[in-house]
Amino acid sequence: DGGITQSPKYLFRKEGQNVTLSCEQNLNHDAMYWYRQDPGQGLRLIYYSQIVNDFQKGDIAEGYSVSREKKESFPLTVTSAQKNPTAFYLCASSTSTSGVAGETQYFGPGTRLLVL
Amino acid sequence: SQQGEEDPQALSIQEGENATMNCSYKTSINNLQWYRQNSGRGLVHLILIRSNEREKHSGRLRVTLDTSKKSSSLLITASRAADTASYFCATDTGRRALTFGSGTRLQVQP
Repeated sequence: DGGITQSPKYLFRKEGQNVTLSCEQNLNHDAMYWYRQDPGQGLRLIYYSQIVNDFQKGDIAEGYSVSREKKESFPLTVTSAQKNPTAFYLCASSTSTSGVAGETQYFGPGTRLLVL
Repeated sequence: SQQGEEDPQALSIQEGENATMNCSYKTSINNLQWYRQNSGRGLVHLILIRSNEREKHSGRLRVTLDTSKKSSSLLITASRAADTASYFCATDTGRRALTFGSGTRLQVQP
């Protein structure tokens, strides 16, 4: 089965703790993305990566970090510097970031992060 | 600020009726896409319309694009209870990742 997976489904963070959300895709896509979604809101871009070993900040990168060591993996770390981390986190991938041809994004099922 | 803004924020209709959602954006685009999100799930791509297209159909979905007004609409005909979800427009400006709007929550009453 081709697709994009996220784990865990639910994650609990204690005060001052860093946590890492996993995102894996087997679609052979170059581009991967992390979004944050707050209740009743749209998606806000945290980080994106166009190619292995390269990534760019999105609109709300403060308090988050990423790595892209493998094409299929794009983990997101929520650091203790992120003071309001409770949200639904969505990972997505596409063949490239954008272009005239148009690129659709394929989303994982999401990880809900809660603060204890 | 959001590139795309959907209107209305929430919509409640009866099964069998048509549902229309609108999206307005601010800058020129390469294409505009519509996505659907069931509660607590990831987004699913529905349809893509390019900047040189004015209308596109896919099953019960009809999308229009007016680049002079910087707006798009999504029409779902003969709605079903299973269409209950949030619907998002996303714009591709060619600069980086898609920019998503805040969504329309559609409730279809059986």
